[in-house]
Amino acid sequence: DQQVKQNSPSLSVQEGRISILNCDYTNSMFDYFLWYKKYPAEGPTFLISISSIKDKNEDGRFTVFLNKSAKHLSLHIVPSQPGDSAVYFCAASASSGSARQLTFGSGTQLTVLP
Amino acid sequence: NAGVTQTPKFRILKIGQSMTLQCTQDMNHNYMYWYRQDPGMGLKLIYYSVGAGITDKGEVPNGYNVSRSTTEDFPLRLELAAPSQTSVYFCASSSVAGHEQYFGPGTRLTVT
Repeated sequence: DQQVKQNSPSLSVQEGRISILNCDYTNSMFDYFLWYKKYPAEGPTFLISISSIKDKNEDGRFTVFLNKSAKHLSLHIVPSQPGDSAVYFCAASASSGSARQLTFGSGTQLTVLP
Repeated sequence: NAGVTQTPKFRILKIGQSMTLQCTQDMNHNYMYWYRQDPGMGLKLIYYSVGAGITDKGEVPNGYNVSRSTTEDFPLRLELAAPSQTSVYFCASSSVAGHEQYFGPGTRLTVT
């Protein structure tokens, strides 16, 4: 059973427009959420995170929104740039357990068209 | 600052062979992790470690072993390679459990 789901395998957006990537989760114990970006033949790199005590976190062009009642988070990229083309993974962790393991979604391939 | 390094980058194994994937981090992180990523899938946790001498199983540990004798190194051992272990393997480390993890570049393993 996938606890973190990214239902859109791919997304294409025009350069300069907004990219919105979505993620749903089922485990109500998750209290910390992260977005990672991955280029081909490289490891994932951390992008932005949000704690469950907040509903929004912003870092430059990247904003993450968390809707706890809907168990939904989204990543907004404004304005989108061709260099943003990559696979984006959302991940979640729960405060229980010694290592607070991350559970990853299956990823969304974002393509920003020039 | 090298971060997390992994060797080798690529490897082809025959069924039944064994190998060790190396992982080293220079950030003095206590937490280290091994993931595998299959095509079109997210990352699945194989094993993790909360400090030198302490390891535990993740979601998909069968067919793998790990050790953590130092803070820096966290090797992953495949004893009897099977085609189902064909995947890309990522090592990661973090200073805080469950928060930002730093990933290595990955090892692409093919078992034929």
